[in-house]
Amino acid sequence: DSGVTQTPKHLITATGQRVTLRCSPRSGDLSVYWYQQSLDQGLQFLIQYYNGEERAKGNILERFSAQQFPDLHSELNLSSLELGDSALYFCASSVGASQAGGYTFGSGTRLTVV
Amino acid sequence: GQNIDQPTEMTATEGAIVQINCTYQTSGFNGLFWYQQHAGEAPTFLSYNVLDGLEEKGRFSSFLSRSKGYSYLLLKELQMKDSASYLCAVRDRNDYKLSFGAGTTVTVRA
Repeated sequence: DSGVTQTPKHLITATGQRVTLRCSPRSGDLSVYWYQQSLDQGLQFLIQYYNGEERAKGNILERFSAQQFPDLHSELNLSSLELGDSALYFCASSVGASQAGGYTFGSGTRLTVV
Repeated sequence: GQNIDQPTEMTATEGAIVQINCTYQTSGFNGLFWYQQHAGEAPTFLSYNVLDGLEEKGRFSSFLSRSKGYSYLLLKELQMKDSASYLCAVRDRNDYKLSFGAGTTVTVRA
């Protein structure tokens, strides 16, 4: 157990729907990062939050949004889902913005859009 | 932005050594990381280099040359459980986000 908790582990939904993925960072970690990993692509950075504030943004679609709450957990909202959104979504956390150990990843949410 | 290249696949024999190369181009470098990822699982941290040279950690070593934009991960005394994808990642100096290469799938054969 890495200490980063992601729920749900699996999600199957239809095109056009909206889903929310949840992440609880490791205790004491202030930064949360979201990544998407498709079969034919590597880990793609979506967005980063640090202590409740958005810190960096990657190629995140406008249909996707995220937030980090005062208790530091984060949610990634995916709307108007398309078949191509099927992927593994990972959350990672770190103490601050810069540390030698890099990130600690959760076990991911596997999203299947049908 | 970042541009990170690493080979797609490598195969080696149990007990052998494999070297996975990674080249990168970045507008602001703040460290290079290697992660191991088994299929369907989360990436796990292996090593970190921010200065030039070799970092050794048991059977795994990682090397960095910042002037050449080059790193390698060396896996020694390969075991079957080392069959996995190995991800090279570069951290940006400005926003500290990690950008990952596509990964190198290593297959260890008996």
